[in-house]
Amino acid sequence: EDQVTQSPEALRLQEGESSSLNCSYTVSGLRGLFWYRQDPGKGPEFLFTLYSAGEEKEKERLKATLTKKESFLHITAPKPEDSATYLCAVQGLDGGATNKLIFGTGTLLAVQP
Amino acid sequence: GAVVSQHPSWVICKSGTSVKIECRSLDFQATTMFWYRQFPKQSLMLMATSNEGSKATYEQGVEKDKFLINHASLTLSTLTVTSAHPEDSSFYICSARDRRLGFGQPQHFGDGTRLSIL
Repeated sequence: EDQVTQSPEALRLQEGESSSLNCSYTVSGLRGLFWYRQDPGKGPEFLFTLYSAGEEKEKERLKATLTKKESFLHITAPKPEDSATYLCAVQGLDGGATNKLIFGTGTLLAVQP
Repeated sequence: GAVVSQHPSWVICKSGTSVKIECRSLDFQATTMFWYRQFPKQSLMLMATSNEGSKATYEQGVEKDKFLINHASLTLSTLTVTSAHPEDSSFYICSARDRRLGFGQPQHFGDGTRLSIL
């Protein structure tokens, strides 16, 4: 059964203090791993897709990396506006027929000025 | 690009009434849309996959007669919560995938509907 585990559940950083969020997954063949950002009371906002081990994607202060078992979302010199819940999701081969995603429970990031 | 609009954003109604939520893809066509439910401080739970022109596929434990899904066009899916009760109160979110893109491409989400049943 496909499964996604995110850690830590919550993370509090000072502005400028870099850190990483972890997403561990087990899946029967990976079609894609997705990172989303969710603000309170809003739907998830797409950030990155990663497809194969060794792949990296960057967007402003965020960088996502992928291995065969986990993905990291690195946040460099975060700002208060980076505060949000970050969700990781995978699509395995089993879900390929319908593009079904399996989500982790997310990491709630709070960046203090 | 890839904008998904969900309406209404907030609804409060009495127990026993039915509530319809709309999900529209504004700048792309979607043969498949997804409906999720999210409880406070929890992740998204897939309820059903909405297929244009055919029946929806429901996840295990989701009542088909309770949560009616219609996907009548390539840009619109609706979720109707029938005879809603307080335990149906939740945050409902839809997503859609551009039909032009292959598998393994991201879903794009609406901003959700907060449903409160009194």
